Amino acid sequence: QLQLQESGPGLVKPSETLSLTCAVSGGSISSSNYYWGWIRQPPGKGLEWIGSIYYSGNTYYNPSLKSRGTISVDTSKNQFSLKLRSVTAADTAVFYCARSTSVGVNTAMVYYFDYWGQGTLVTVSS
Amino acid sequence: SYELTQPPSVSVSPRQTASITCSGDRLGDKYACWYQQKPGQSPVLVIYQDTKRPSGIPERFSGSNSGNTATLTISGTQAMDEADYYCQAWDSSTVVFGGGTKLTVL
Repeated sequence: QLQLQESGPGLVKPSETLSLTCAVSGGSISSSNYYWGWIRQPPGKGLEWIGSIYYSGNTYYNPSLKSRGTISVDTSKNQFSLKLRSVTAADTAVFYCARSTSVGVNTAMVYYFDYWGQGTLVTVSS
Repeated sequence: SYELTQPPSVSVSPRQTASITCSGDRLGDKYACWYQQKPGQSPVLVIYQDTKRPSGIPERFSGSNSGNTATLTISGTQAMDEADYYCQAWDSSTVVFGGGTKLTVL
């Protein structure tokens, strides 16, 4: 059974960089057709996609983050990571890592997250 | 940027049918999926590729997508189905989530 586990500091100061890692077990991060993504959820609010990465290093990001985010992958450790720069209180959220299936069907893209980590709360505060 | 719109809340009586909509420009030309999230838990995929159910998801969950609207239908709604539901689609190399719908089983 595939499992994902987020780790990283629970408290980050404003203007600093938030860093999280997602360890994948029970499967290889190098499997074809899967992207690995980060999603966040501010307290009491909805889900927001941050970005996704393929094992080759190909990435997609949410344009609303204005290039503050960087996702990287380490296939030797079977994990991927998120760095979010210049954080403010508005970045306080539960951060989830997840596996996504991505496949073209007819002329459209099937894209969904089928395995999720338990989530980790990151608070931005001085 | 592409947007998906959901009603903030939907109420249903036990054993009745609940329908949650997700609207977006020409959404029917894309593939939609749905997640269920209960308080304090991670989201769970309940419908993908418009109509397909992952293994372990009860048959009472079904989906459709046509025109500008995708719909999640829960037949014979149970108290355990009370949760937040999110739709999601892929557009122009980005993942888009709807704002979420709180389903209350009265």
